[in-house]
Amino acid sequence: AQSVAQPEDQVNVAEGNPLTVKCTYSVSGNPYLFWYVQYPNRGLQFLLKYITGDNLVKGSYGFEAEFNKSQTSFHLKKPSALVSDSALYFCAVRDGGRNSNDMRFGAGTRLTVKP
Amino acid sequence: DGGITQSPKYLFRKEGQNVTLSCEQNLNHDAMYWYRQDPGQGLRLIYYSQIVNDFQKGDIAEGYSVSREKKESFPLTVTSAQKNPTAFYLCASKRGKESYEQYFGPGTRLTVT
Repeated sequence: AQSVAQPEDQVNVAEGNPLTVKCTYSVSGNPYLFWYVQYPNRGLQFLLKYITGDNLVKGSYGFEAEFNKSQTSFHLKKPSALVSDSALYFCAVRDGGRNSNDMRFGAGTRLTVKP
Repeated sequence: DGGITQSPKYLFRKEGQNVTLSCEQNLNHDAMYWYRQDPGQGLRLIYYSQIVNDFQKGDIAEGYSVSREKKESFPLTVTSAQKNPTAFYLCASKRGKESYEQYFGPGTRLTVT
């Protein structure tokens, strides 16, 4: 069965600094990987996905993520953080080798960007 | 949150009462999902439906029921059998098997006292 771990409950960065939100995964087949962002009392918004191809994936709002198969990681990055990036970020994985709708979400990482 | 509506945004009920949460989408998506979100636990799948008149249990289906009579609607009933119903409930949809990401509604916060 697939699973995903977000090792940090909280990440704090200063505005203008680069940010990284970590995610590691476990699947038996090929991983389909996703990042979502959630603002307070709102639904999740899709940021980006990795299905196949280039290991560096670019998404919405200047975010990108790097797929690393050997480290089974899919860390979310942004070169220069904004205060408005402060939110809850979720990593998710689906096993692409199975005909399944089963998507597993991490517990979330709360990002705080301070002015 | 585009195209997926959930109502109401906040819902309060007394213990022992059944309550139905609404989820409607106008994206013409085939698949729909219900998740429960609790602090520090991420999202857990309750039920999902890939086509009309068909649905499958997720990881935590006990105490919940769903129906999928129309493509655009996937209501969730929280029954009195659900031991800890207070949570944030999220509905999502996906175009079909050929698509990958799910799109989420704004959520309903249910409080049972």
